[in-house]
Amino acid sequence: DIQMTQSPSSLSASVGDRVTITCRASQGIRNDLGWYQQKPGKAPKRLIYAASSLQSGVPSRFSGSGSGTEFTLTISSLQPEDFATYYCLQHNTYPWTFGQGTKVDIK
Amino acid sequence: EVQLVESGGDLVQPGGSLRLSCSASGLPFSNHPMHWVRQAPGKGLEYVSSISDNGGSTYYADSVKDRFIISRDNSKNTLYLQVSSLRAEDTAAYYCGCSGGSSPGYWGPGTRVTVSS
Repeated sequence: DIQMTQSPSSLSASVGDRVTITCRASQGIRNDLGWYQQKPGKAPKRLIYAASSLQSGVPSRFSGSGSGTEFTLTISSLQPEDFATYYCLQHNTYPWTFGQGTKVDIK
Repeated sequence: EVQLVESGGDLVQPGGSLRLSCSASGLPFSNHPMHWVRQAPGKGLEYVSSISDNGGSTYYADSVKDRFIISRDNSKNTLYLQVSSLRAEDTAAYYCGCSGGSSPGYWGPGTRVTVSS
């Protein structure tokens, strides 16, 4: 199975900060990666698909990059509504695998 | 508007079974692969199972293989997950999702399964 190593597992940041989250795949997955935001008690919400394409309706402060084994989600200027947990998901090979998650909370 | 709504979650004893359902609307259901993921209380998201658009191919996480069965009825726009031989570690919120050539773009609100005696 492909392992997705996501880092950091948590971070504290302030409104306006630039935040970067990384996922590393144990083998190449081309650009078959999505980024999701999840708030407590809610379903995941897709932010980025195909590693770098912004989901319709998602603010442009979110961006994704990478291909192969290294991927990054960047929030250019953190807003109050962005405090949540973020996950990457590889859908290149079954069984799909999620990263362990990154909890972003208020400093 | 795409809507996915799960149902069928319940409190069940270890070793028991349930059938989870996911009703879909607002999309050509038979054109889309469908998926189940779950989230145990306080834990991260875990992939469970997938099924191709015509139901001809199915995939499972190792943790549920031989205990869970995914299926779909395209005439009813409904996805199913038959969960059997349930264990305490299967306690989770179960979410269904749909995809179309990429990662799932839509998820339902989830249905909760609790395995306890």
